[in-house]
Amino acid sequence: DQQVKQNSPSLSVQEGRISILNCDYTNSMFDYFLWYKKYPAEGPTFLISISSIKDKNEDGRFTVFLNKSAKHLSLHIVPSQPGDSAVYFCAASAQDGNQFYFGTGTSLTVIP
Amino acid sequence: KAGVTQTPRYLIKTRGQQVTLSCSPISGHRSVSWYQQTPGQGLQFLFEYFSETQRNKGNFPGRFSGRQFSNSRSEMNVSTLELGDSALYLCASSASTGGTAGNTIYFGEGSWLTVV
Repeated sequence: DQQVKQNSPSLSVQEGRISILNCDYTNSMFDYFLWYKKYPAEGPTFLISISSIKDKNEDGRFTVFLNKSAKHLSLHIVPSQPGDSAVYFCAASAQDGNQFYFGTGTSLTVIP
Repeated sequence: KAGVTQTPRYLIKTRGQQVTLSCSPISGHRSVSWYQQTPGQGLQFLFEYFSETQRNKGNFPGRFSGRQFSNSRSEMNVSTLELGDSALYLCASSASTGGTAGNTIYFGEGSWLTVV
């Protein structure tokens, strides 16, 4: 059973515009959420995280929003750049922090 | 600080054979976890080790096993390989000191396994 879902397999955005990647989860015990970026033939690279005690975390062009009541998080990239083209995975962990549950990924293409 | 190192990067095996993959975590990290990535399936959790003890195990058959050494380096083994085992196997490490929330895991570049 997929506890973390990314329902959009792909997304295309014009350079300079905002990219919004979405993620939903089902387990109310999850309290730590992360986003990773993955280029082909490379391992995922950590981008940004958010704890359940916050509803927003910002790091440069990347902002993650968490809506606990809706069990939904999103990653905003502003402005989008061609180098952002990659697969983005969201992940979640529960309080023990030992196991992470990943979504199936969203492939972002930023069009120059 | 060196990142997570996985070897080998690429390998081809025949059905029925077994394979061992190796992972060296980031210096100082004591938790090592393994994930399998196949097209359309995201990253599936295999197992996680901390101080040479397996703390969590995913929903994979017993053909998949792992271990961690006293220096935190880890190996995973897949026996009696099947075609469906073809995947990218990713190792990740974290500074987890005993299961506290908020730990971030950092991935290696992965080992591409092709079973023919």
